[in-house]
Amino acid sequence: TQLLEQSPQFLSIQEGENLTVYCNSSSVFSSLQWYRQEPGEGPVLLVTVVTGGEVKKLKRLTFQFGDARKDSSLHITAAQPGDTGLYLCAGLRYSTLTFGKGTMLLVSP
Amino acid sequence: EAGVAQSPRYKIIEKRQSVAFWCNPISGHATLYWYQQILGQGPKLLIQFQNNGVVDDSQLPKDRFSAERLKGVDSTLKIQPAKLEDSAVYLCASRSIGQGLVASPLHFGNGTRLTVT
Repeated sequence: TQLLEQSPQFLSIQEGENLTVYCNSSSVFSSLQWYRQEPGEGPVLLVTVVTGGEVKKLKRLTFQFGDARKDSSLHITAAQPGDTGLYLCAGLRYSTLTFGKGTMLLVSP
Repeated sequence: EAGVAQSPRYKIIEKRQSVAFWCNPISGHATLYWYQQILGQGPKLLIQFQNNGVVDDSQLPKDRFSAERLKGVDSTLKIQPAKLEDSAVYLCASRSIGQGLVASPLHFGNGTRLTVT
């Protein structure tokens, strides 16, 4: 059973474009984290959202946690080639962190 | 601070052989995780330790996979015997609960890429 559904699975865009990645679930989470993973490396934490409706900004990245704490979105403004990577959302229930399948983003110059 | 260390970096074995992976977490991190990441997918939790005790191993195929964390520090993950479908990257992660469980990040190693032929 996949608790977290991410969409789209793959996204290929040009430098300067905007994009949004979604993370949806039927389960409520204590918190939700977004990670980025580059080839040959482990995932690296971008942000943690805890409160329903919370919005956090990290430079050109905007993260939102749904009011019911079941879903989240990641919006990137003016994407750059350095944003290329696998974006993973992960939800915390009890003490276990469960990952979605990820969105592979490719930003071309 | 030093990151999570994993070895080996790569391993190629034949099916039915055995293999072991090693992980040294960040110093002081009480919680340690092993994840399996198949190409194109997100990490799947295999086992979670709190110090040297198992918190969650519900998705660990216990007929062939085993893991231990002696003295609550280093950990090893073993597969015996390996199957073709075990080909994946095995990621180790650790976490400090100093910030509270809700907000603390997982720190990942770079993983061991296993190929079973």
